[in-house]
Amino acid sequence: EVQLVESGGGLIQPGGSLRLSCAASGFAVSSNYMSWVRQAPGKELEWVSLIYSGDSTYYADSVKGRFTISRDNSKNTLYLQMDSLRAEDSAMYYCARVGSFTMILTYWGQGTLVTVSS
Amino acid sequence: EIVMTQSPATLSVSPGERATLSCRASQILSSNLAWYQQKPGQAPRLLIYGASTRATDIPARLSGSGSGTEFTLTISSLQSEDFAVYYCQQYTNWPYTFGQGTKLEIK
Repeated sequence: EVQLVESGGGLIQPGGSLRLSCAASGFAVSSNYMSWVRQAPGKELEWVSLIYSGDSTYYADSVKGRFTISRDNSKNTLYLQMDSLRAEDSAMYYCARVGSFTMILTYWGQGTLVTVSS
Repeated sequence: EIVMTQSPATLSVSPGERATLSCRASQILSSNLAWYQQKPGQAPRLLIYGASTRATDIPARLSGSGSGTEFTLTISSLQSEDFAVYYCQQYTNWPYTFGQGTKLEIK
């Protein structure tokens, strides 16, 4: 059974850093495209970052240069390093597995909440 | 960036009736369009991809149609579990973008 469990969220001051983790089970993150998607309270979804199985990475303009997606294949875990955090980064962050042949989000974790506030 | 616009923002329908949700793209998508359902406090769930292909375990009363820039999600004979927020998502060009959502509520 595919499972994704996020952790690492919390309250952080503007300008601070956080690293989100997503522990996967039931499949290998190394051979799948993986993503982070966020949702501010009461708002729509925003696809933040994508990593290909070959390690190519993509970022939304809103986070480019501040966020870094990566994975540790030995731990079967996906990460999102978030630096220079802003109030507008406050959101629920979801880890998701991308479809094998299409850029759709087939499996989602339950999310971890990030609040950026002084 | 491709902008996705969903309408209406809120749709009130009685159980057993049919609901039609719309999604418009600012550029041609071919059929690179997915639909997701989100219930309060839950992560989204994939319903439809390729504009019209149902994902695993999605009931046949949900159907997707359209191509190019105009897409529709139809739910026939609404059940209680169908009342939720629905999002469309394009995957033609990065950044892959979502619509703002349609809330389907009980009339």
